Amino acid sequence: DTGVSQNPRHKITKRGQNVTFRCDPISEHNRLYWYRQTLGQGPEFLTYFQNEAQLEKSRLLSDRFSAERPKGSFSTLEIQRTEQGDSAMYLCASSWTSGGAETQYFGPGTRLLVL
Amino acid sequence: GNSVTQMEGPVTLSEEAFLTINCTYTATGYPSLFWYVQYPGEGLQLLLKATKADDKGSNKGFEATYRKETTSFHLEKGSVQVSDSAVYFCALRLTGANNLFFGTGTRLTVIP
Repeated sequence: DTGVSQNPRHKITKRGQNVTFRCDPISEHNRLYWYRQTLGQGPEFLTYFQNEAQLEKSRLLSDRFSAERPKGSFSTLEIQRTEQGDSAMYLCASSWTSGGAETQYFGPGTRLLVL
Repeated sequence: GNSVTQMEGPVTLSEEAFLTINCTYTATGYPSLFWYVQYPGEGLQLLLKATKADDKGSNKGFEATYRKETTSFHLEKGSVQVSDSAVYFCALRLTGANNLFFGTGTRLTVIP
């Protein structure tokens, strides 16, 4: 299966610690998205990349959050000084677009619990 | 602002029952509309989509019609199966935008 993969699938950390998540998109997809999903809610957009360029960031992405996609392939999402409110499922999606309609393919997510 | 409103769940149906999950939206312009499904322990999967008014998206027996006049995109299936048990998300993407706006999801449980 060559779908979107995310690691780790689960992360438990203590408040104030830093965490980093990884997303491997579908090969050759040029766009990569990060979303956050809290319990009982739908996913909310955080940021997206086209190739290695980060083109848009949501106001939800505070300065404690940083995302990279250094070679236009995998991406990392780091949260510094975690807070209990950061507990959520972090979803990655990828797509291929050449300017027309696109379909986003989602990974299984990384569930973060901040104690 | 832009938003998606889904009927609240959970929804419990018997096998072979008719399913409707309501979805209405508020958006500027003419968004594309989507239904995603999340099976237990899995990631979101695109179920169907429609990109303009009066388009009908369909897949796996599910259908939804883009109704501009009522700003709706209700999901229907004529005969549900136990394997359809999942959480269903309605979503939109604004014209010229890239990210998706999701509803809160509706959990469907189908009992034999």
